[in-house]
Amino acid sequence: SAVISQKPSRDICQRGTSLTIQCQVDSQVTMMFWYRQQPGQSLTLIATANQGSEATYESGFVIDKFPISRPNLTFSTLTVSNMSPEDSSIYLCSVQQGYEQYFGPGTRLTVT
Amino acid sequence: AQTVTQSQPEMSVQEAETVTLSCTYDTSESNYYLFWYKQPPSRQMILVIRQEAYKQQNATENRFSVNFQKAAKSFSLKISDSQLGDTAMYFCAFMVDNAGNMLTFGGGTRLMVKP
Repeated sequence: SAVISQKPSRDICQRGTSLTIQCQVDSQVTMMFWYRQQPGQSLTLIATANQGSEATYESGFVIDKFPISRPNLTFSTLTVSNMSPEDSSIYLCSVQQGYEQYFGPGTRLTVT
Repeated sequence: AQTVTQSQPEMSVQEAETVTLSCTYDTSESNYYLFWYKQPPSRQMILVIRQEAYKQQNATENRFSVNFQKAAKSFSLKISDSQLGDTAMYFCAFMVDNAGNMLTFGGGTRLMVKP
């Protein structure tokens, strides 16, 4: 399975600021995904990021709030913009290999 | 739209015993995949087991096995010989074949293995 790393592993940010989360994979993958896990909750898909095309956002998530880049087949970034305390969550990236998805270790974001 | 329901928010089991976690799902699709993921306190999501809907045989991975009942839309996870390291959140997930590979997760079951 793919080895996935995320940076930062955690951060504490002030409201109104932005944070960019990086996701690096050790092999080339077509499909990458970004999920949000709010405290004590399950995972919710934010968007799908395919290299060479615009990210596809799920209902309730917009590009202005969560811009995503996918410059190549091993890397993606998610920016959480104009943060509020409601954005405090774990953000996870994942990659598709065959019919399975593998996840990065997650980024724990706290907004004060 | 697909929905996944885990009716047991929390469960506990004694070390070395067997425990079964429940999952039901709702879909009109015929080709899909079902998964169980484990999320320990480290928050790393770990794929435990996968089941293809077209396969009648239940998937098994060492101490982990599933009971897949397609007609009932049920997909339970059995953990045998429970170990302290099995303590984690367990999420059931669903994916439609050839539909963007989006995973739909259940709400999770928190499992505590007691010594």
